[in-house]
Amino acid sequence: EVLLVESGGGLVQPGGSLRLSCAASGFTVTSTYLSWVRQAPGKGLEWVSVVYTGGSTYFADSVKGRFTISRDSSQNTLFLQMNSLRAEDTAVYFCARSPSGSYYLGNPYFDLWGQGALVTVSS
Amino acid sequence: SYVLTQPPSVSVAPGKTATIICGGNNIGSKSVHWYQQKPGQAPVLVIYYNSDRPSGIPERFSGSNSGNTAALTISRVEAGDEADYYCQVWDSSSALVFGGGTKLTVL
Repeated sequence: EVLLVESGGGLVQPGGSLRLSCAASGFTVTSTYLSWVRQAPGKGLEWVSVVYTGGSTYFADSVKGRFTISRDSSQNTLFLQMNSLRAEDTAVYFCARSPSGSYYLGNPYFDLWGQGALVTVSS
Repeated sequence: SYVLTQPPSVSVAPGKTATIICGGNNIGSKSVHWYQQKPGQAPVLVIYYNSDRPSGIPERFSGSNSGNTAALTISRVEAGDEADYYCQVWDSSSALVFGGGTKLTVL
């Protein structure tokens, strides 16, 4: 079965760090484009970061310099390292897959989503 | 940065047709994708490349895109279609962009 399963969410103080994991099954994390998308409580979806098949990474301006995205092929897992966390980073974080063809065409979309992990930044 | 504008809410009676619009500057030149999200669940892709349906999505869901407006149309609306709907595009200056979402209420 093709699945994405996030873990690692929790409560963290402002200025703290947290690492989210997203375990993939049914496909390899290096064979496709994987993103993190977040949703603040009661709000809409916001793209956060993407890692390309070749390893290039990109970030939304709101998290640039504070978050890093990586993947481990031996664990078939995607990670999001979040540092210098702020209250406005409080959200459910989803990992999501984009078909490689959609990036080749310059029109990426998400065909598979994880169930989400809640990150709460509060003192 | 590129902005996508959606109405906050749309209401429709069962069996009728619902249209959810997504506005953006010259959005007709881009490919628009649509997601359905029910409370407490992850989003689900319902339309990609403006009008293509993933396998498993009913034919009642269709999409169009022209000029400054894209639209998701749901025919013969059912109670189970009640959800939030988001449009999404790729923009070279903003990367992946989502609309603010539209809450579809089935009366």
